[in-house]
Amino acid sequence: DVKVTQSSRYLVKRTGEKVFLECVQDMDHENMFWYRQDPGLGLRLIYFSYDVKMKEKGDIPEGYSVSREKKERFSLILESASTNQTSMYLCASSLAGSSGNTIYFGEGSWLTVV
Amino acid sequence: AQSVTQLDSQVPVFEEAPVELRCNYSSSVSVYLFWYVQYPNQGLQLLLKYLSGSTLVKGINGFEAEFNKSQTSFHLRKPSVHISDTAEYFCAVSGRGGGSYIPTFGRGTSLIVHP
Repeated sequence: DVKVTQSSRYLVKRTGEKVFLECVQDMDHENMFWYRQDPGLGLRLIYFSYDVKMKEKGDIPEGYSVSREKKERFSLILESASTNQTSMYLCASSLAGSSGNTIYFGEGSWLTVV
Repeated sequence: AQSVTQLDSQVPVFEEAPVELRCNYSSSVSVYLFWYVQYPNQGLQLLLKYLSGSTLVKGINGFEAEFNKSQTSFHLRKPSVHISDTAEYFCAVSGRGGGSYIPTFGRGTSLIVHP
């Protein structure tokens, strides 16, 4: 089974802190994604990576950055956390080659910024 | 550009009743279509997808969806729901080739099954 593992399920951080959300997938997928999920807004794409060291901005990249130094690992970084970044963050991965490929999701990281 | 509209934010239903969750999409190119399910406190998992061929697609847990190109719809149905089907359901669309490999998700429909 494909497994996407998000290292932290629940985090509480203070405003202004630097926050790292880590994600690892074990299926050798080329594509990795970070989404933010908020009630009534569905999933919004923050960043997408299609290869090591490659990244593309999604719909809401402001206030976030990402790092992909190894194929299996994709990190989301909040340089200076703010209360409006309190949300559920979902990491996902998929094979390259077709937009019909299934996207596999991690269980999510609930971040509260106080 | 592509977009997805899930017409109902919440659908309450009694156990063993049939249910339909509606999804409409728009795209300038041919599409792939997906339904994902999110159970409480979990990530999303694929329920079913339409790639090509028969417009009626069967998925896990007794769900099915029908691709209607003329109406640009991909509605999800189940003839008899269970309490365990209570979850958030997301419709998604991605264009076939031509650049974007990233699907667009709808805002979700919360299915609430009452005993």
